[in-house]
Amino acid sequence: DSGVTQTPKHLITATGQRVTLRCSPRSGDLSVYWYQQSLDQGLQFLIQYYNGDERAKGNILERFSAQQFPDLHSELNLSSLELGDSALYFCASSAQGAGNTEAFFGQGTRLTVV
Amino acid sequence: DQQVKQNSPSLSVQEGRISILNCDYTNSMFDYFLWYKKYPAEGPTFLISISSIKDKNEDGRFTVFLNKSAKHLSLHIVPSQPGDSAVYFCAASAVNNAGNMLTFGGGTRLMVKP
Repeated sequence: DSGVTQTPKHLITATGQRVTLRCSPRSGDLSVYWYQQSLDQGLQFLIQYYNGDERAKGNILERFSAQQFPDLHSELNLSSLELGDSALYFCASSAQGAGNTEAFFGQGTRLTVV
Repeated sequence: DQQVKQNSPSLSVQEGRISILNCDYTNSMFDYFLWYKKYPAEGPTFLISISSIKDKNEDGRFTVFLNKSAKHLSLHIVPSQPGDSAVYFCAASAVNNAGNMLTFGGGTRLMVKP
């Protein structure tokens, strides 16, 4: 158990809908990261928050947004969903916001858009 | 453009023998490298890391080698065990990043046969 909690584990929704994925980082970790793993693809970095502030942005679509709350949990909002958004979405956390440190991953949310 | 590549999608090894997983990178700004293991329906689990100031790091059965001039790293597992069967991802980060996002390779599926 990494200590990172993601909910829900599975989500099935229709095209055009909006969903929210939730992540609670490990106790004491200030950084939260979101990654997407599509079928047959590696993990793609989406966005990082550190202590409530956006720290780094990757290939995140404009239809997607995220935030980190004062209690350090984070939410990833996906809107106007398309079939191609079906993927595993992982949250990870680390103690630091920058520098060389490992990140610890949650079990992921499997999103299926039908 | 894939900055981190794992050219072998799969590897099959006999129990007790050595498993060698390879990873190449192109971004010379990367200075910290990590290996993660992933079982189905679980998030990636951190295994071992290495800083660019080192060429080897060992942790039990796992050893990571870094060849900076060749921009190549490898993970050695000795002896391999059936429980090591999983997908292995190498990842890299750059200290000059504003944040600490990881760039992942596409993964190598390791199968250890009893």
